[in-house]
Amino acid sequence: GIQVEQSPPDLILQEGANSTLRCNFSDSVNNLQWFHQNPWGQLINLFYIPSGTKQNGRLSATTVATERYSLLYISSSQTTDSGVYFCAVANGANSKLTFGKGITLSVRP
Amino acid sequence: DAMVIQNPRYQVTQFGKPVTLSCSQTLNHNVMYWYQQKSSQAPKLLFHYYDKDFNNEADTPDNFQSRRPNTSFCFLDIRSPGLGDAAMYLCATSRDLAGPWTQYFGPGTRLLVL
Repeated sequence: GIQVEQSPPDLILQEGANSTLRCNFSDSVNNLQWFHQNPWGQLINLFYIPSGTKQNGRLSATTVATERYSLLYISSSQTTDSGVYFCAVANGANSKLTFGKGITLSVRP
Repeated sequence: DAMVIQNPRYQVTQFGKPVTLSCSQTLNHNVMYWYQQKSSQAPKLLFHYYDKDFNNEADTPDNFQSRRPNTSFCFLDIRSPGLGDAAMYLCATSRDLAGPWTQYFGPGTRLLVL
């Protein structure tokens, strides 16, 4: 099946700093989503982005499908950005999402 | 607001005592999923329903079963919980299986097995 690798595994930021989270995948995809899991366990969908670039406030994401990676940018980080960020993908042969192991982000005041 | 609701948020059960977790949705989505997530791990898909069509993952233990009596509700039954079944259980929905769909997750039920 498709492999998903996220990096770095852990990230510590000072409030106000910017960061880039990376997701590499091993095969072509027709679905790629970024999720944020808050400290209470709720998974929030941030972006559906199998290709191209999207922005939502301080967050933006870019997927370069031909090179099999996606980046999530967080600007002016806030303590509420803390949690685990998951990248999940699916391809045409399989409708189910495959999750990466996640990136744990801690934003310190 | 349209959403995915899970009850209870925390469930304590005894080793071997059957337990049922519930999920409901107001999104009118065709697909409902159940995931198991253990500490510091990614969510692991157990099964999903496309409408009334049940799809079990190959490595989901027989101890886990599911019911979807109507579009809005889906239940996860654990027939004989073991200590290894303690985890967060996440319900999710999506409009469809094909096309530009996104998955929407409920807040999860954290299961503790004593």
